[in-house]
Amino acid sequence: GQQLNQSPQSMFIQEGEDVSMNCTSSSIFNTWLWYKQDPGEGPVLLIALYKAGELTSNGRLTAQFGITRKDSFLNISASIPSDVGIYFCAGPISNTGNQFYFGTGTSLTVIP
Amino acid sequence: DAGVTQSPTHLIKTRGQQVTLRCSPKSGHDTVSWYQQALGQGPQFIFQYYEEEERQRGNFPDRFSGHQFPNYSSELNVNALLLGDSALYLCASSLVDGNEQFFGPGTRLTVL
Repeated sequence: GQQLNQSPQSMFIQEGEDVSMNCTSSSIFNTWLWYKQDPGEGPVLLIALYKAGELTSNGRLTAQFGITRKDSFLNISASIPSDVGIYFCAGPISNTGNQFYFGTGTSLTVIP
Repeated sequence: DAGVTQSPTHLIKTRGQQVTLRCSPKSGHDTVSWYQQALGQGPQFIFQYYEEEERQRGNFPDRFSGHQFPNYSSELNVNALLLGDSALYLCASSLVDGNEQFFGPGTRLTVL
């Protein structure tokens, strides 16, 4: 099946630091979505991106839709303890309909 | 405005049994997608329902079936359960052709 590779796989950072993570694919995406998932709960939508080159912010979060449409980046500024969780990129691959593919996830730990 | 709801929260079954999971979409949404999330992995698309019909299907066997009701709620049925079916089952709702999916809290299925 399709593979969305996220890096890094896990991060351990100090509170207040900035975080960067990315997502790459061999396929072209129409939309990139970033979700955060806490243990035992469903993913929560953070940011949605709709066109190549788009840069979108939501509070301390900023995400970008890569120019090639095969990658996306998520940055978190001034991290706080509640940022802890697993971050997933996701989206529908161009011309494959409505099936969403999810990345492998980046686990974030924030040390107070 | 209620978000996506799922029931039950947890379920324990034995191999060979059948299970039915339920989902109510976010108010105003007409499309429901189901995902399987194994421990430590990203969600995997099972299928999507719109207008009471299966609209698209991922790479899952026929043991996995579903239904959508006129009020847009949905059920996921799994027959002949295997140990490998143990996972968190997530329901996501959206508007038809919408690219933002909103997830419920999930049902944790354990097959013994």
